[in-house]
This record gives sequence, C-alpha cells and structure tokens, in this order.
Amino acid sequence: GENVGLHLPTLSVQEGDNSIINCAYSNSASDYFIWYKQESGKGPQFIIDIRSNMDKRQGQRVTVLLNKTVKHLSLQIAATQPGDSAVYFCAETMDSGYSTLTFGKGTMLLVSP
Amino acid sequence: SQTIHQWPATLVQPVGSPLSLECTVEGTSNPNLYWYRQAAGRGLQLLFYSVGIGQISSEVPQNLSASRPQDRQFILSSKKLLLSDSGFYLCAWIGGTHNKKTYEQYFGPGTRLTVT
Repeated sequence: GENVGLHLPTLSVQEGDNSIINCAYSNSASDYFIWYKQESGKGPQFIIDIRSNMDKRQGQRVTVLLNKTVKHLSLQIAATQPGDSAVYFCAETMDSGYSTLTFGKGTMLLVSP
Repeated sequence: SQTIHQWPATLVQPVGSPLSLECTVEGTSNPNLYWYRQAAGRGLQLLFYSVGIGQISSEVPQNLSASRPQDRQFILSSKKLLLSDSGFYLCAWIGGTHNKKTYEQYFGPGTRLTVT
C-alpha cells in the first residue's frame, strides 16, 4: 500500500497544554483514517476516525482534522494529561467494506507533569 | 461484549525452534482476523489476514504461516524461528455480527517474542 508517515517521531508537552500530532499520507484514494493510541507493552486502542468526505471530527478531548488538498491528517488533544503519554499511530485504508489498514510509523507523545 | 485474547503474553525461543501463537475472539461471529508484527519503536506490519475459516491472505513473504481452524481462532506459526522474527505480535479483529463499523480494528494485548 501507499506510505502513511508521521512528521514528528517524538513530541514533548507539559500537562495542560494542547498537543498536535501530524500524519502525512500519499494515496489520495484513501477514504478512511483512524488514530490509534498504544501504551507501552499493550495493543493499540482506537481513538477516533474520520472519513474522507469530512474535514473535522471531534471526540472527547480529541479532534481529528483532515486536509485532503495536502494529504494531511492531524490529531489534536486538548488539555493533555500524563495518561495521554503513548505512541500514536495514524492508519488509512483505501478499500470499501472490511479491509486491511496501512499504519504510519508512530509518534511518541511525552507529557510532563 | 467482544473480547480478544492472545497467548502467551511473552515467549523466549531459541533460533530454529518452532512457534505457535494463538488468538481467539469472543462475543462475535465471522470476524475478519489479522496478525501484525511490531519491531521495537516501529509501526505495525501486517503479516496475515483472514476473512473466514481456512481463508488466509499473506501480506509479507517470510518463514511464518497462519491458520484459522475455527471461526474465532487465529494461529501464527513457524517451523524454524529466525533472530529477525523477534518482535511484538498483535492480533486484531474487525466486523462480525456485533460490529457495524467495517474499518475499526480491535487489537489484542499482544505477545512479546524474543528469539535468542
């Protein structure tokens, strides 16, 4: 599949700050994107998703933005907490129906108290 | 509710030994099942996926194999392990009768494999 990469391998923030994690994708045919959070030694957990016909989607303290013009995806975490420290992956899929996901390399988010 | 199990949680095996990792899903039927490998500090590499019993698709040629003997059971195997097989192995499922979202994959807790 196409590469889905992340700009920043490590992001360090202070507790209470807002965090922004970025992801670039190269396949304009991708129609669904997901952000996962992976804590050390555990499997990835779903955070939020967005379809290609949307520009923005909000969840609890998280917002995903999709810019199809520049093929860019971002995850915004409001009021970052120490418990948000983890590796964050974006993933994309191009197919309809049940499909395989292509994951980016991940960004480590470190939150200092 | 649906749950996914993997075992063992950790495994240390010598080079050349066989491997069998098991993944089972509860609470749903006819899910798609996936095996991923994650090297230290890296992303997830899809190894195999299955859309039904006995149906296996391989994404990366290697000395690993997968089988799905039952609807909710997915097994990752190797006849002879290599040092490069070390990593964190994750099983995931999607779909089935209790999940209307067709893209969101749910991951198991993983198996940490160290080949010595």
